[in-house]
Amino acid sequence: GAGVSQTPSNKVTEKGKYVELRCDPISGHTALYWYRQSLGQGPEFLIYFQGTGAADDSGLPNDRFFAVRPEGSVSTLKIQRTERGDSAVYLCASSSGGPDEQFFGPGTRLTVL
Amino acid sequence: AQSVAQPEDQVNVAEGNPLTVKCTYSVSGNPYLFWYVQYPNRGLQFLLKYITGDNLVKGSYGFEAEFNKSQTSFHLKKPSALVSDSALYFCAVRDMRAGFQKLVFGTGTRLLVSP
Repeated sequence: GAGVSQTPSNKVTEKGKYVELRCDPISGHTALYWYRQSLGQGPEFLIYFQGTGAADDSGLPNDRFFAVRPEGSVSTLKIQRTERGDSAVYLCASSSGGPDEQFFGPGTRLTVL
Repeated sequence: AQSVAQPEDQVNVAEGNPLTVKCTYSVSGNPYLFWYVQYPNRGLQFLLKYITGDNLVKGSYGFEAEFNKSQTSFHLKKPSALVSDSALYFCAVRDMRAGFQKLVFGTGTRLLVSP
């Protein structure tokens, strides 16, 4: 079946611009997660949705970062006034919840010039 | 707070030899433990998990991992390595308590299997 998909696969933007990254989870998965992976590091948690609501946004680095999941399926990660330090691979994952494993998408590589 | 340590940046092994990739963890409650593998320019792929029960967990592609509560370790193993196993491996932990959904990852260990 279809896995987690993310668009775009690559995004190049200029410092100060606004970007949106999209995640389409596995059908039927109620839990959705965003992580950020910098070069040479493991993924770092950003935010977790259960259904439409953000159940844990403790990983968002500052108020320039925001995410939504209005219908409990597709999610969008929004970054305002991008900075060069935001350059990373942004990973989305989904799961059935509970102890089940999270299934990851291929990621969006964001480059801020 | 949750944390994971992968003490080796890189592990080198010859094809056909056994391999071990080390992981130790720290959580306040009981852990859920996971191993993921990442191939170049691809997303993370789930290998195996420990939730409860047998300390030896078997997963995909012949990999297994042993949960050791006293040593707070969850080392990844395979009896006979293949060149195609060469990749980046991540250990991750999740607190079992309700409300703790996020995975905390280690920094990764690069496995190189030589022919």
